[in-house]
Amino acid sequence: DAGVIQSPRHEVTEMGQEVTLRCKPISGHNSLFWYRQTMMRGLELLIYFNNNVPIDDSGMPEDRFSAKMPNASFSTLKIQPSEPRDSAVYFCATSQGARVETQYFGPGTRLLVL
Amino acid sequence: EDQVTQSPEALRLQEGESSSLNCSYTVSGLRGLFWYRQDPGKGPEFLFTLYSAGEEKEKERLKATLTKKESFLHITAPKPEDSATYLCAVQAAGSARQLTFGSGTQLTVLP
Repeated sequence: DAGVIQSPRHEVTEMGQEVTLRCKPISGHNSLFWYRQTMMRGLELLIYFNNNVPIDDSGMPEDRFSAKMPNASFSTLKIQPSEPRDSAVYFCATSQGARVETQYFGPGTRLLVL
Repeated sequence: EDQVTQSPEALRLQEGESSSLNCSYTVSGLRGLFWYRQDPGKGPEFLFTLYSAGEEKEKERLKATLTKKESFLHITAPKPEDSATYLCAVQAAGSARQLTFGSGTQLTVLP
């Protein structure tokens, strides 16, 4: 199994540009989580999906952030417009069923907004 | 609001020097406490789940324990390859699949 796949691994963009981060979950996992990690705030849950349906997006910081999961094999996290304070590492994690403890994390996307 | 505090922020040990990492938590009904390991440039990797006070889990040189207010990750005779950031997270009862993470302890084991 290839594990959780995220792309791109690194993204450098300018303030105001649209950024799209992508995640391919492990086959058979029906829960998907988007996290953001910064030195100041640590690892924060942004949104999670169950069976492709957004369950809780209370962690999404602003309307500039949106996430979709059009099918069981793909999810996106979009930031439009991006701001320097969005610079962070964004992780996608997936799990099977209700077993949250066995969330498998992807390698992350390191985002730098200039 | 659920809170997780980890200490120390950073810890340097000599190879073979045993120590403990602390995770203090405040949660409205603990459903589970989780320990993860995170290597630089990678996502967190699951280590342990603890569900009730008094419970202990072991894996190689690591042992996790849980009380009603905190958890400890004991590292016995660490090796350089144990160097990583160790994250603690809690899941509150009724919170479905959400985890609240601490800021982590960065462990460096010197040869």
